[in-house]
Amino acid sequence: GAGVSQSPRYKVAKRGQDVALRCDPISGHVSLFWYQQALGQGPEFLTYFQNEAQLDKSGLPSDRFFAERPEGSVSTLKIQRTQQEDSAVYLCASTMGGLASDTQYFGPGTRLTVL
Amino acid sequence: AQSVAQPEDQVNVAEGNPLTVKCTYSVSGNPYLFWYVQYPNRGLQFLLKYITGDNLVKGSYGFEAEFNKSQTSFHLKKPSALVSDSALYFCAVRDYSTNAGKSTFGDGTTLTVKP
Repeated sequence: GAGVSQSPRYKVAKRGQDVALRCDPISGHVSLFWYQQALGQGPEFLTYFQNEAQLDKSGLPSDRFFAERPEGSVSTLKIQRTQQEDSAVYLCASTMGGLASDTQYFGPGTRLTVL
Repeated sequence: AQSVAQPEDQVNVAEGNPLTVKCTYSVSGNPYLFWYVQYPNRGLQFLLKYITGDNLVKGSYGFEAEFNKSQTSFHLKKPSALVSDSALYFCAVRDYSTNAGKSTFGDGTTLTVKP
């Protein structure tokens, strides 16, 4: 596709519900990143994939957060038993390669609101 | 550990005047530095990056940034601001020694250009 796409764009969940957020990276991009952006703050790193391998998950805030990229393209971020503090915009980004110098291209984000 | 500081939450300039958005960083190794712009309900759009070479980097929409290693700064500049430049700007850093490409972002600076 032309850019990174994310779905849904908006998600409202009741506290305790499970949610799944989808990211479609730019076609052929090797690396995929998930970030969490709270209101009024910059994006915070959650996790990173190179192809299907999850190379860094140091930013996941708890074991309720889980991400996968089973075929090295589409990725899903799953949040179990959502809490109000999980309310944020979840951004996905992809890069062509696996170098630190590569430019990250961001999707529009999924705004999650937990009631 | 790596960090980014954007000391100004808000920058106001008149259309046609030069603008500067400040960024300082901290990394243990050599930095890769990035500027992104975010419009309401949109993802981050890449403006420019410093990898190596010339300290003055030119990017999209007439923006440029100067890498200053001694001051650990990477300020974003534009000679003549446009009303359409009004947006939220983020500086980000990656450590050269980290192949994973994890980015650390500042908290953003809101730029308002008044006609």
